[in-house]
Amino acid sequence: AQSVAQPEDQVNVAEGNPLTVKCTYSVSGNPYLFWYVQYPNRGLQFLLKYITGDNLVKGSYGFEAEFNKSQTSFHLKKPSALVSDSALYFCAVRDLHGSSNTGKLIFGQGTTLQVKP
Amino acid sequence: GAVVSQHPSWVICKSGTSVKIECRSLDFQATTMFWYRQFPKQSLMLMATSNEGSKATYEQGVEKDKFLINHASLTLSTLTVTSAHPEDSSFYICSARGLAGVSYNEQFFGPGTRLTVL
Repeated sequence: AQSVAQPEDQVNVAEGNPLTVKCTYSVSGNPYLFWYVQYPNRGLQFLLKYITGDNLVKGSYGFEAEFNKSQTSFHLKKPSALVSDSALYFCAVRDLHGSSNTGKLIFGQGTTLQVKP
Repeated sequence: GAVVSQHPSWVICKSGTSVKIECRSLDFQATTMFWYRQFPKQSLMLMATSNEGSKATYEQGVEKDKFLINHASLTLSTLTVTSAHPEDSSFYICSARGLAGVSYNEQFFGPGTRLTVL
């Protein structure tokens, strides 16, 4: 079965420091991986995706993620955190199985990022 | 591009009443729409997948008769919570996937609807 794990419930970082939010996945075949951010009482905003190509993916708001096939990881990173980056972050993998292939996403449990001034 | 709206953004209703939530893709045609439910500080739980013009596919444990989903056009899907009870109070989020191009490989999410059942 396909799955995504975000091992940290919360990540705390000081403003200006680099941040990493971890994600590991388990899929059969090549994964389609996504990162989304959610602010309180809002829907999800797309940050970036990996489908194919370069392992380092650059996304919105200065975020990037590195696809590592050997470690089955897709960690989200940013060189210098902002207080406004504080939010809930979700890693997801697209479910490529099933006869319909509807593009269903499987989400990790989410990681709260807290950036302190 | 690829904007998804939801209406209403929040709703309060009495126990036993029904509530309809609309999800619209504003600038693309959505062949598939997804409905999620989210409890505070938890992940999104997929409730059902709907394809335009056909019946929705519900995830295990989701009551079809309680959560009615209609996807009558390529830009509109509705979720009706029938005979709502306090335990149905939650944040409901929809997403849409398009026909081709960027919108085919991604899901675009609506802003969510906060339902409170008294």
